[in-house]
Amino acid sequence: AQSVTQLDSQVPVFEEAPVELRCNYSSSVSVYLFWYVQYPNQGLQLLLKYLSGSTLVKGINGFEAEFNKSQTSFHLRKPSVHISDTAEYFCAQRAGRRALTFGSGTRLQVQP
Amino acid sequence: KAGVTQTPRYLIKTRGQQVTLSCSPISGHRSVSWYQQTPGQGLQFLFEYFSETQRNKGNFPGRFSGRQFSNSRSEMNVSTLELGDSALYLCASSLSGQGYEQYFGPGTRLTVT
Repeated sequence: AQSVTQLDSQVPVFEEAPVELRCNYSSSVSVYLFWYVQYPNQGLQLLLKYLSGSTLVKGINGFEAEFNKSQTSFHLRKPSVHISDTAEYFCAQRAGRRALTFGSGTRLQVQP
Repeated sequence: KAGVTQTPRYLIKTRGQQVTLSCSPISGHRSVSWYQQTPGQGLQFLFEYFSETQRNKGNFPGRFSGRQFSNSRSEMNVSTLELGDSALYLCASSLSGQGYEQYFGPGTRLTVT
């Protein structure tokens, strides 16, 4: 069975500081990885995706993630966060035709 | 393109009633998936439809059902509502499902009293 582990439930960080949100996925022959963001009372918005190719993936709002097959990780990073980045972030995995599996989420709290 | 739309946005029902939620995917998308989001269980997959056929099903009781129409619009139904069914129900659409990213609607907030 697929599983996605987000290692931190909450990450507090000061504005303009760098941040890393950690995600580990379960290994599969072909895996597709995603990061989504959810603002209060809204649906999920796709930040970035890894389907194949370059292991460094750039997304919207200055976020990027690195696919690491040997460590089965797909950590999300941003070099300088803003107050507006405060939200819940979800890592997700899809293997083949199986359903999308989400991690439990990481709440990013950006403090002034 | 217009995004995924879900109706209604908010709903209050009583235990034992049934409810139908609607989802209109992005134009051209043929796959629709449904998820339940609760504080305790997080995001849980309900089912996925592609070209009117259920392709995947999550681990939910038979009270939860869905369908997809020829125009790719989808509905999900929950019968005999329980208090634990209170949740945000999210619909997502994608081009084909396999590997393609899913685009989410704003969700329907269901409260069961």
